[in-house]
Amino acid sequence: EPEVTQTPSHQVTQMGQEVILRCVPISNHLYFYWYRQILGQKVEFLVSFYNNEISEKSEIFDDQFSVERPDGSNFTLKIRSTKLEDSAMYFCASSDTGVMTEAFFGQGTRLTVV
Amino acid sequence: ELKVEQNPLFLSMQEGKNYTIYCNYSTTSDRLYWYRQDPGKSLESLFVLLSNGAVKQEGRLMASLDTKARLSTLHITAAVHDLSATYFCAVHYGQNFVFGPGTRLSVLP
Repeated sequence: EPEVTQTPSHQVTQMGQEVILRCVPISNHLYFYWYRQILGQKVEFLVSFYNNEISEKSEIFDDQFSVERPDGSNFTLKIRSTKLEDSAMYFCASSDTGVMTEAFFGQGTRLTVV
Repeated sequence: ELKVEQNPLFLSMQEGKNYTIYCNYSTTSDRLYWYRQDPGKSLESLFVLLSNGAVKQEGRLMASLDTKARLSTLHITAAVHDLSATYFCAVHYGQNFVFGPGTRLSVLP
């Protein structure tokens, strides 16, 4: 069964460092998303991406964040200068353009900023 | 801005009992989703509800959607311990999915 895969599963980084979180969406999907979830809390929308550009972003997605689809399969989230409050689980998701438009989520990357 | 609320936020119930989780949202949408999340895990899709009056059932879970009332329900029948998890509703809005705060369900023996 097709699935969204994310790497790494866990990343520990020092405050101020840059991190890149990687995702491989389901191959025939056209919409891609990043969400984050601080431990035990709400699932928060960061950004959606379609047709090689950002289609929508939240107020959380400031200049420290960027997304890229460097090739036909990967979808990345970069955080330029990490802060302690960036520690969270980051989920990538993808969906198709059909009626269902159901989002399928990857297993997540747990980012710990120390 | 779309707001999605769930209640209750915490639910502790005994095995064999029935209960309903409610999801309200503030702006018109005709697509609502229910997800399950086990601790430390990802979000697993349970139901996709696409129209007013939609009802879906899978095992002991049944979800419904009333778009006029902007309300969805997730009904649990004869709960078992394996259903212990956090349940999120999410509404498709614009180019994203807006999640409710989640209902943490514990089913006790």
